[in-house]
Amino acid sequence: EPEVTQTPSHQVTQMGQEVILRCVPISNHLYFYWYRQILGQKVEFLVSFYNNEISEKSEIFDDQFSVERPDGSNFTLKIRSTKLEDSAMYFCASSKDRLENEKLFFGSGTQLSVL
Amino acid sequence: AQSVTQPDIHITVSEGASLELRCNYSYGATPYLFWYVQSPGQGLQLLLKYFSGDTLVQGIKGFEAEFKRSQSSFNLRKPSVHWSDAAEYFCAVGVRGSQGNLIFGKGTKLSVKP
Repeated sequence: EPEVTQTPSHQVTQMGQEVILRCVPISNHLYFYWYRQILGQKVEFLVSFYNNEISEKSEIFDDQFSVERPDGSNFTLKIRSTKLEDSAMYFCASSKDRLENEKLFFGSGTQLSVL
Repeated sequence: AQSVTQPDIHITVSEGASLELRCNYSYGATPYLFWYVQSPGQGLQLLLKYFSGDTLVQGIKGFEAEFKRSQSSFNLRKPSVHWSDAAEYFCAVGVRGSQGNLIFGKGTKLSVKP
């Protein structure tokens, strides 16, 4: 089965630093998503992206966050100035179609540790 | 506000025994409902989903779930558990009209005894 690939699997950064998390969605998918899971808490929706623009975002996704599809294969999440509370597992996902028509494929996540 | 509750944090069952994982949701309309499984070091994998129609949904790996509107529940079942089913299971509600906004429960970790 095709996979969503996330790199790196674990990233450590200093508070205040910028970090970019990378994802390669499944090649024929058109919808892209980021979720996160803080340790011991629920998986939370951050943002969805379609046709080169954000289609929906949660309250968590503030001005410190941005997403980009810089080329035909990568989908990135940037955190401009990391805070301690940004430490979490970040999941990328993709789908061929909208949620009600198609399932989401998730990557295995990037564990972000902010020190 | 929409929410999902998985009341059991950790369940242990014997291999071959039946399994039921509980999920209750709070949502103002007919929800989209999902069960995902996460094995260690893996991403979330969709087991099954309910959008409309038959309230008993069949999924992969022998799992099924039943949508009960009157109880606001979507419990996951399997008649005979295999050791490879040991993983964490997440129930989620999809917000209708949204673009991928899934609201997850906290998950239930399943351990399987030989």
